[in-house]
Amino acid sequence: GQQLNQSPQSMFIQEGEDVSMNCTSSSIFNTWLWYKQDPGEGPVLLIALYKAGELTSNGRLTAQFGITRKDSFLNISASIPSDVGIYFCAGQGPPSGAGSYQLTFGKGTKLSVIP
Amino acid sequence: DGGITQSPKYLFRKEGQNVTLSCEQNLNHDAMYWYRQDPGQGLRLIYYSQIVNDFQKGDIAEGYSVSREKKESFPLTVTSAQKNPTAFYLCASSIGQKETQYFGPGTRLLVL
Repeated sequence: GQQLNQSPQSMFIQEGEDVSMNCTSSSIFNTWLWYKQDPGEGPVLLIALYKAGELTSNGRLTAQFGITRKDSFLNISASIPSDVGIYFCAGQGPPSGAGSYQLTFGKGTKLSVIP
Repeated sequence: DGGITQSPKYLFRKEGQNVTLSCEQNLNHDAMYWYRQDPGQGLRLIYYSQIVNDFQKGDIAEGYSVSREKKESFPLTVTSAQKNPTAFYLCASSIGQKETQYFGPGTRLLVL
């Protein structure tokens, strides 16, 4: 199956610093998604990207869909304590042989913010 | 409120026992999904359903079963054949299979 490499696995940053994380794939995707998961909770969608080269912002978050369609990055500016959590990237499509548009997830980046 | 609910929050299973995890959505979504999450891992797809009365195996379906008798409900049964069931189980739904997936709060399954 498709593989997603997400890095870094974890990071400790000082409050107020900017953060960058990325995902790369051996296959192309039609859609890139970024989710955040708090401990013991389900992932919450942060940003969805639908077009190669697209750059989208959501408050202090900015994400880009790579031109090659094989990578994406997420930046968080001016981090605050509530940014703590695990961030997942996910790629979707093109459809598999069975016609499904399954999501492939990275293993996550665990973010810790030091006040 | 519209959303996805999962119950129970925590579930304990004894050896050889089947257990069923509930997932309900009132978003009028056609597609629903079950994922398994292990520590330090990404989400892995167990089963998905694109429409009522239809479902397909995901990447790790062995030891699990599902049903989709109603649009709003997609229960997952963890059977005794699943030898390593301890995990966090997440249900998701989307308008259609190509649309963005939204997740429920999860059920943590523990083996006694």
